[in-house]
Amino acid sequence: SQQGEEDPQALSIQEGENATMNCSYKTSINNLQWYRQNSGRGLVHLILIRSNEREKHSGRLRVTLDTSKKSSSLLITASRAADTASYFCATDGPGGGADGLTFGKGTHLIIQP
Amino acid sequence: SQTIHQWPATLVQPVGSPLSLECTVEGTSNPNLYWYRQAAGRGLQLLFYSVGIGQISSEVPQNLSASRPQDRQFILSSKKLLLSDSGFYLCACTGGNQPQHFGDGTRLSIL
Repeated sequence: SQQGEEDPQALSIQEGENATMNCSYKTSINNLQWYRQNSGRGLVHLILIRSNEREKHSGRLRVTLDTSKKSSSLLITASRAADTASYFCATDGPGGGADGLTFGKGTHLIIQP
Repeated sequence: SQTIHQWPATLVQPVGSPLSLECTVEGTSNPNLYWYRQAAGRGLQLLFYSVGIGQISSEVPQNLSASRPQDRQFILSSKKLLLSDSGFYLCACTGGNQPQHFGDGTRLSIL
């Protein structure tokens, strides 16, 4: 079964606005990662946050992690049309992901020009 | 950096036919390799992973099998495809303490 659950399932905002997506998971993790998937394509790795980190930035991306609530959020600031995609969180277990990642169902983000 | 090649990009097969999807990796050695399947509008489900040549672990019982004949080659196979095997198949790898990187996937349609 899938561990992560993203919400919302779909999000439509105007270009320039900020987009926030959330992810919850059920079991202990080593790392949590966010990926982007453009329609019909493979996944592109965005950012990895370790279980002992609370916040991480990369360009217009900001990820937070709350291990006590087993949740993470991805914030995209100053959104652009090119940010339109599906976004997935993925978790690994104590083994560090060598035995694969567990993905949520994703948030489909649409940026209206 | 790691590069993953998957082919074909799309495939249409009749029910009961065999399947062979190939994934090759460049830019790393001794990678961990993974096959995932994505149903329409869903997240990814891990099917198989491999930590070395000839070493295959299966995550879910299914109609598919995997093999790793070479260090950077991972093959997904089936002897007889079912309608339920339709989906988007993604190969991924990790190596050198890097996050998982994905290929562009194969969209498989079973008729």
